[in-house]
Amino acid sequence: DVKVTQSSRYLVKRTGEKVFLECVQDMDHENMFWYRQDPGLGLRLIYFSYDVKMKEKGDIPEGYSVSREKKERFSLILESASTNQTSMYLCASSPGHKNTEAFFGQGTRLTVV
Amino acid sequence: RKEVEQDPGPFNVPEGATVAFNCTYSNSASQSFFWYRQDCRKEPKLLMSVYSSGNEDGRFTAQLNRASQYISLLIRDSKLSDSATYLCVVNNGFSGGYNKLIFGAGTRLAVHP
Repeated sequence: DVKVTQSSRYLVKRTGEKVFLECVQDMDHENMFWYRQDPGLGLRLIYFSYDVKMKEKGDIPEGYSVSREKKERFSLILESASTNQTSMYLCASSPGHKNTEAFFGQGTRLTVV
Repeated sequence: RKEVEQDPGPFNVPEGATVAFNCTYSNSASQSFFWYRQDCRKEPKLLMSVYSSGNEDGRFTAQLNRASQYISLLIRDSKLSDSATYLCVVNNGFSGGYNKLIFGAGTRLAVHP
């Protein structure tokens, strides 16, 4: 069965902390994505990666960075967390060709206080 | 202008009703299209892909109009279990061999007895 696993369901962090959100997929997918989801705004793409060590900025990359050292793992890093980064973060993966389904992790609800 | 725009909703319909959702996209080079469903506090999951000729899956029919850059989803004979948020998704990637999935903000459907 297809599996995308995010390391935490809920996180509470303080302003200024460095935060790591981890995502692992077991489907050998080339593409991995990080989105954040906010009420009324839907899912917004932060970063995506189409291969190991390759990354592309999405629509809202400011304040975030990513790391993909291994094919199965894609990490989202908040260098210095701020309250406006309080959100639901969703990781997804998909195979490397078009017309393919993306599979999502269960999401991480991050609260920055 | 957002890359993918959907009817704002919410749609409140009785069981058995037919309901239609619309979506427009701004990038004429978009290659593939999908509808995802997201239940409350859950991750999005693929409902169906959208093909140029239109496609049907049981009570669900998806249509694509490339000339108008318009996608639709029709649900016939609505069930209580259809209550969810429906997300229009466009793939703007793979010119570089990767997928870049852009999500609309979603349309919420509530089916009542």
